[in-house]
Amino acid sequence: GQNIDQPTEMTATEGAIVQINCTYQTSGFNGLFWYQQHAGEAPTFLSYNVLDGLEEKGRFSSFLSRSKGYSYLLLKELQMKDSASYLCAVGSGGSYIPTFGRGTSLIVHP
Amino acid sequence: DAGVIQSPRHEVTEMGQEVTLRCKPISGHDYLFWYRQTMMRGLELLIYFNNNVPIDDSGMPEDRFSAKMPNASFSTLKIQPSEPRDSAVYFCASKSDRPQETQYFGPGTRLLVL
Repeated sequence: GQNIDQPTEMTATEGAIVQINCTYQTSGFNGLFWYQQHAGEAPTFLSYNVLDGLEEKGRFSSFLSRSKGYSYLLLKELQMKDSASYLCAVGSGGSYIPTFGRGTSLIVHP
Repeated sequence: DAGVIQSPRHEVTEMGQEVTLRCKPISGHDYLFWYRQTMMRGLELLIYFNNNVPIDDSGMPEDRFSAKMPNASFSTLKIQPSEPRDSAVYFCASKSDRPQETQYFGPGTRLLVL
């Protein structure tokens, strides 16, 4: 099985930087996804990491360390619209079907 | 493409009634997933299909739940009989067969069983 752990809730100030961590334990790791989910909406894809290192995509970056079973999502220049739940999902085994963490609810305040 | 389409968007029913949720995946996608999301349990995978064939239904809570995919463009999730604890948001998602490709989620069906 898999164990995925992320903080339940975080708060940050508009314009600041926030880092959302995700740790996982799995066998046959084959990739890690981050999704954003606004209240009442479906999850939408943010990033995919399969190799160690940092992937930057505009204001959002995602980091992976396979040896440590660790990833983080970095959000820069926070905006109010970034208030959402951020889901870490880990793929493993031959199926490449990701298992989702419980999500981190990010609240951005003025 | 219109994306993944789900219907109905909202469903309110009484305990004991049959509920049928519908999904149309993105054309050309080989995989279709049904998820359930609640505050208590987060996003749970119920079942997924590959080329219309059910591959893993270990997440289906019990025999009251069943899912079918009669063709590449349509799937149903049925709950019979429904119970209040089935109240949740049910998402359908689809993806291609490339591992690095993301799943694309439909807008979800909000189910309330009274």
